[in-house]
Amino acid sequence: GAVVSQHPSRVICKSGTSVKIECRSLDFQATTMFWYRQFPKQSLMLMATSNEGSKATYEQGVEKDKFLINHASLTLSTLTVTSAHPEDSSFYICSARDRAGWETQYFGPGTRLLVL
Amino acid sequence: AQSVTQLGSHVSVSEGALVLLRCNYSSSVPPYLFWYVQYPNQGLQLLLKYTSAATLVKGINGFEAEFKKSETSFHLTKPSAHMSDAAEYFCAVSEGSSYKLIFGSGTRLLVRP
Repeated sequence: GAVVSQHPSRVICKSGTSVKIECRSLDFQATTMFWYRQFPKQSLMLMATSNEGSKATYEQGVEKDKFLINHASLTLSTLTVTSAHPEDSSFYICSARDRAGWETQYFGPGTRLLVL
Repeated sequence: AQSVTQLGSHVSVSEGALVLLRCNYSSSVPPYLFWYVQYPNQGLQLLLKYTSAATLVKGINGFEAEFKKSETSFHLTKPSAHMSDAAEYFCAVSEGSSYKLIFGSGTRLLVRP
């Protein structure tokens, strides 16, 4: 099956620093990747949609200057949390849409971010 | 706009009992519907999907779901629960050509020995 990886799986950083999270589709080409945020015991909230070679589309209420998304290739998208603050602590999950199976999203294992 | 409602934030069953997780959707266009499972501190794993083919969809781990247009439902079932089925389950609908997923609030399945 389609495999999506995320790195790192867990990161702890100081307030004010920036953190980059990578999302890779390992065995398929992903024209579209999505970034979600999940708070404890809650559902997933879509942050942005990332299309290869173009600017990301952000959901209402998500600060594009704070959550920088780059989708430079068909297998890699990155999310950078700039000037992180404790309220940015969360579980960040990416997903990728297979070019072939267009209606299905495959999810990464998630990245736990803790900002001190 | 599309939406998903999952009735019951927690469902508890005994091992070997029937599992029924409810999902109702709202969509102005023929929907694509999905069930995902999430184990603690992990991403989501696709259980099954409905994409306008057969209304009864079989997925992994013995789960299946039936699309009922008249009831706008896509309930998830499994005849016999196993301890390893304990997890969080999310129902989702795909939003048109953007392929965004709209998730329900999730249902935590507890399996009692």
